[in-house]
Amino acid sequence: AQKITQTQPGMFVQEKEAVTLDCTYDTSDPSYGLFWYKQPSSGEMIFLIYQGSYDQQNATEGRYSLNFQKARKSANLVISASQLGDSAMYFCAMREGMDTGRRALTFGSGTRLQVQP
Amino acid sequence: KAGVTQTPRYLIKTRGQQVTLSCSPISGHRSVSWYQQTPGQGLQFLFEYFSETQRNKGNFPGRFSGRQFSNSRSEMNVSTLELGDSALYLCASSLGLGLEENIQYFGAGTRLSVL
Repeated sequence: AQKITQTQPGMFVQEKEAVTLDCTYDTSDPSYGLFWYKQPSSGEMIFLIYQGSYDQQNATEGRYSLNFQKARKSANLVISASQLGDSAMYFCAMREGMDTGRRALTFGSGTRLQVQP
Repeated sequence: KAGVTQTPRYLIKTRGQQVTLSCSPISGHRSVSWYQQTPGQGLQFLFEYFSETQRNKGNFPGRFSGRQFSNSRSEMNVSTLELGDSALYLCASSLGLGLEENIQYFGAGTRLSVL
């Protein structure tokens, strides 16, 4: 089974509107972390936001927020007030065993977001 | 503060050759991880080094190896290159202290083409 599932290969959004990118995950580990990264065409992976499995509140970082629904195993990224520079690939990733030395991130297949003027 | 630096940015090699990629982590970061990104397989974890020791390894053949130096800089080596090794190789570093330990910061990658 896929550990990280991103069901939206591509999304369009109008500039200044909000958009939600979906991510569901699968793990039996009680200690895990969820991450979102942005990858522009240049290739660099840019860290956006992080949510720990024990965090009680949803994470927010500027225009980015993570809608964490633990029971449903979903960690959707919400981008408010989209900008043209937000056009990129977005990856959801998970790290299991946060209380161990494991560092490996498991990535989803990504969602290509295009912001239209 | 400088970010993660990967060199070279682009490489063209032929089948059977070997290649070495370099990664300089963010100053103070002790953990370096390597990932391979291809259109078919997506992003896959290769291995992770911490204090010059390989701590985690992904499911890749032994042709893929790495090492880390005392200054935390890391190199990745691929021997006997195959066409399927053509990919973007990404390096990520993390701090190793507190919450920041959980966040991996990536470089711009090395794009390897095997002809």
